[in-house]
Formats: sequence, structure tokens, C-alpha cells
Amino acid sequence: DTGVSQDPRHKITKRGQNVTFRCDPISEHNRLYWYRQTLGQGPEFLTYFQNEAQLEKSRLLSDRFSAERPKGSFSTLEIQRTEQGDSAMYLCASSLNSGMSEQYFGPGTRLTVT
Amino acid sequence: GNSVTQMEGPVTLSEEAFLTINCTYTATGYPSLFWYVQYPGEGLQLLLKATKADDKGSNKGFEATYRKETTSFHLEKGSVQVSDSAVYFCARMFSGGYNKLIFGAGTRLAVHP
Repeated sequence: DTGVSQDPRHKITKRGQNVTFRCDPISEHNRLYWYRQTLGQGPEFLTYFQNEAQLEKSRLLSDRFSAERPKGSFSTLEIQRTEQGDSAMYLCASSLNSGMSEQYFGPGTRLTVT
Repeated sequence: GNSVTQMEGPVTLSEEAFLTINCTYTATGYPSLFWYVQYPGEGLQLLLKATKADDKGSNKGFEATYRKETTSFHLEKGSVQVSDSAVYFCARMFSGGYNKLIFGAGTRLAVHP
């Protein structure tokens, strides 16, 4: 296993379009997190899955955002009707379901909304 | 509240200089604390961690001690190398569950030969 992977690495879209990102966690990890990182800032938590259950969503996650993890493996993050303020790096992380397990981060998907 | 504050960058040092990057946090209780590093073009990597007061995390010559009296977790290295040039993020684990991380804004370190 080569770690957490994310696809695509870069996405440029026009305002108003919908985009979908994919995250493949480390195979034995049942915890999966999405974070968003804007330029010059640290990552901010968006949402958390334990297996296929979405257990927490940040207030940052407006109604235009939806995330799924249908089989408890890969996850998708969709943004509908994108806005310029959505431009950011979207990071996925996964960890084991035990105590303070380390979160392993993927390389991120950089979204640019024009 | 729940926040992490770290010193603003960029920090520019010559090779073999001593490094300190300050980090303080606000929290209820005693959360686990972390330093992550992001090398150019790469994803976040865990550098070190400490899970309780007075613990010292260490890795690759970097150290940080969990100080509950000053709610701090400053990152130090005795002799930096050019290869240490990266962005360093201090983080704490949110006390409310699910182990989500709260990050500082990051500090860019540039080391020159």
C-alpha cells in the first residue's frame, strides 16, 4: 500500500459548475477525514467518516458540499455550484480506529474556481 | 475555545543554526499535540507528537515538549539543514471526539547553505 491517494491532483473549473473529488485511504484504515486548506493557512476540518457512517460535519460544510463513503473504503467529496471562495486545497486523511491513531494525509486536490 | 497559534513566518536561517518555532494552544483538558511538516510539492507528514503533559516528542533531530503550565509545544532543532526547508504546522487533537485535528496557520522555514 502506497498511502492515501487523491484524484485529481488539480482541478480548474468555472464558477457554477459541480466538481467531485475522490480519496482512497490506506486499506485497513476505517477512519477517514476531509480537510480544506486555503493559501497561508493550516488545514480546517470538514467532515469525518467511521467506516461508511458520516459522524461529524463542520459548519464550514455548506449545503453545496456533500461527502460519501458508500462501502467504507474510498470517499468522494462533491461541491455543487462552485464559488470562487471554494478555491483551496482539499485534503483527505485516514487512520486506524484505535485511540489517538496517527492520521496519514494524501497529497490533496487543488481546486481553482475561475 | 479550541485554537492553535504559531509564530508567523517565514523563518530564514543559515545551515547549522538553531531553530525554534513557537506554538501555543487553547483547550479544555490536555489534548494530544502534534507537529506536521509539508515539504514542497508533498502532502502533510507527521513529524512528532506528545500525548500528555511533560512528554517530549522527537524525530529527525526535532524535539518538542508538552508544557501544560504555558500551554505550549515549541518545536526545536539544534542544527538545521537545507533539507529541513518546509512548512511546519502545529496541531492539537480536538477534545470533543473523533480525533479531528485543529491546526495552526503554519510557519515556513527556509534554510540557506
